[in-house]
Amino acid sequence: GDSVTQMEGPVTLSEEAFLTINCTYTATGYPSLFWYVQYPGEGLQLLLKATKADDKGSNKGFEATYRKETTSFHLEKGSVQVSDSAVYFCALSRVDSNYQLIWGAGTKLIIKP
Amino acid sequence: DSGVTQTPKHLITATGQRVTLRCSPRSGDLSVYWYQQSLDQGLQFLIQYYNGEERAKGNILERFSAQQFPDLHSELNLSSLELGDSALYFCATSQGIHNEQFFGPGTRLTVL
Repeated sequence: GDSVTQMEGPVTLSEEAFLTINCTYTATGYPSLFWYVQYPGEGLQLLLKATKADDKGSNKGFEATYRKETTSFHLEKGSVQVSDSAVYFCALSRVDSNYQLIWGAGTKLIIKP
Repeated sequence: DSGVTQTPKHLITATGQRVTLRCSPRSGDLSVYWYQQSLDQGLQFLIQYYNGEERAKGNILERFSAQQFPDLHSELNLSSLELGDSALYFCATSQGIHNEQFFGPGTRLTVL
């Protein structure tokens, strides 16, 4: 079945550091890929998405590129802020599974000032 | 604020009991998804409704059931509760079945 694998956390960085959170997936067909963010005590918010190979999703300085050849969708940000501290989830959905989201385990990001 | 509301925010109950969680979608959203977030299993899709009809089922236990009403709000019913059912339950809604899902703030269920 479909699955998403994320790097384990927590990831601890200093402010202004470069961020990469790895995400790889296993799925048949052509899934859409997503990054969601969960701030402490809050629900899930869509951060960015990509719906086909080589698409780049971007939002709030975060980027991720859909790489079909490596089945990856790594999240990057050039300069993180303390306010980026949260849990980040990689997810996929497919049309023939009614777009239900299949989730990675989540990666907790801690940014120190 | 996503515009999706969930009640109650917190629920504490005992094993063997039954609870109902409620989700009100954004205006115009026809599709409702329920997800469970637990420490053991992470985030899992439970069930989806579209315009009142069940559309897809995921890892939903037989003790759990859901429905979507004519006004499009949805309820998730959890019965014969066990300690392992303690989790955060999210609903997400979307306009159709292939649109972006917007998540509610979740209901935290604690089974003692």
